[in-house]
Amino acid sequence: QSALTQPASVSGSPGQSITISCTGTSSDVGGYNYVSWYQQHPGKAPKLMIYDVSSRPSGVSNRFFGSKSGNTASLTISGLQAEDEADYYCSSYRISNTQVFGGGTKLTVL
Amino acid sequence: EVQLLESGGGLVQPGGSLRLSCTASGFTFNSYAMSWVRQAPGRGLEWVSAISGSGGSTYYSDSVKGRFTISRDNSRNTLYLQMSSLRAEDTAVYFCAKGNSGGHFFYFDYWGQGTLVTVSS
Repeated sequence: QSALTQPASVSGSPGQSITISCTGTSSDVGGYNYVSWYQQHPGKAPKLMIYDVSSRPSGVSNRFFGSKSGNTASLTISGLQAEDEADYYCSSYRISNTQVFGGGTKLTVL
Repeated sequence: EVQLLESGGGLVQPGGSLRLSCTASGFTFNSYAMSWVRQAPGRGLEWVSAISGSGGSTYYSDSVKGRFTISRDNSRNTLYLQMSSLRAEDTAVYFCAKGNSGGHFFYFDYWGQGTLVTVSS
């Protein structure tokens, strides 16, 4: 069960926008609209930021935007803030009732 | 307020067994699928297992199939993970996570703080 592919790291300055990609296959990202994104600060539990490709849970800033094209999903964070610095993981429902995570992307706010 | 509290982690020898528990509160436990997700030290998240709200359906990753057993006691609002034939590569923080509905786990909207399992001689 291969993980989804994410860049190891991305960076941006405060106020800028960044995009994190998440590439899978037609058996997961491309086959279902069940991509989710999680934010994890060091030593903390993951926090749901986006579900069903582009929906935001209550309380999550509208600076976080999710999208998908084919087998690749993306998380865009606009108006970068210092508190956005964290690890970000994508996840997708996969055929045969399983879940698969990406390898994670470390976001650095310069 | 939804709360998930894991327990049962610790140091175990290779080949040994351990049972993790996750006590839930703040939501109707039997109405939601639950999952275990682990994170090896310095590594990413890995989905391990899931169980439907009724407990009638269970799912496993290939890496733990045949060694781990997920179960739940809805009368006690508690999720379990019985781990056996443990290997060094099972060393990780184990999180329990709440699924989005009784029969599905398309995403995880609440997570516990995790419990550390260390497999070493």
